[in-house]
Amino acid sequence: DAKTTQPPSMDCAEGRAANLPCNHSTISGNEYVYWYRQIHSQGPQYIIHGLKNNETNEMASLIITEDRKSSTLILPHATLRDTAVYYCIVRGFGNEKLTFGTGTRLTIIP
Amino acid sequence: SAVISQKPSRDICQRGTSLTIQCQVDSQVTMMFWYRQQPGQSLTLIATANQGSEATYESGFVIDKFPISRPNLTFSTLTVSNMSPEDSSIYLCSVAGTTRYNEQFFGPGTRLTVL
Repeated sequence: DAKTTQPPSMDCAEGRAANLPCNHSTISGNEYVYWYRQIHSQGPQYIIHGLKNNETNEMASLIITEDRKSSTLILPHATLRDTAVYYCIVRGFGNEKLTFGTGTRLTIIP
Repeated sequence: SAVISQKPSRDICQRGTSLTIQCQVDSQVTMMFWYRQQPGQSLTLIATANQGSEATYESGFVIDKFPISRPNLTFSTLTVSNMSPEDSSIYLCSVAGTTRYNEQFFGPGTRLTVL
């Protein structure tokens, strides 16, 4: 699976949109981009995934660049409960293993 | 998504002993996995628990140290054997195969401290 690069930490004001970037320049054509988050002392939580089109669900939006070498997870109205470590993972369909990097520690500031 | 529970939620153990962690899912799942998260670190996959056959271990993990059972499609155990303080970690199980894209869903984890 392709490796990913994320900033180690970010801050975002409560109520604002949190934009978390991820670089995956070696992604191949059949690999998906997955986002998970881990709130302190809990197991990771699935957020969203995409292949090449932008995706939106009740939690977040995922914007993938046209060349698929990077993506951005958007939390539209961040709340204090969104404080967590966010992991961007690239995974081939049919390969069920997840390889976690170091992620981005997002802190929502009141 | 599946509802996953783990027992125990936490434990403190003595060096040289073993601990068995249970993972129970509320529905049948095709895939179950065990991860380790050392203090301040990210998650590392230990093994894939295979129903009816031996688990598939990742590099750096061996069956003698981390024996795994999966007797059916809703249950698995991970044993941490002959523990040392370096085994102090959070151990998490996850499942996949309940949705179209096989997203993984994680249990709450078992926090293990070895003295």
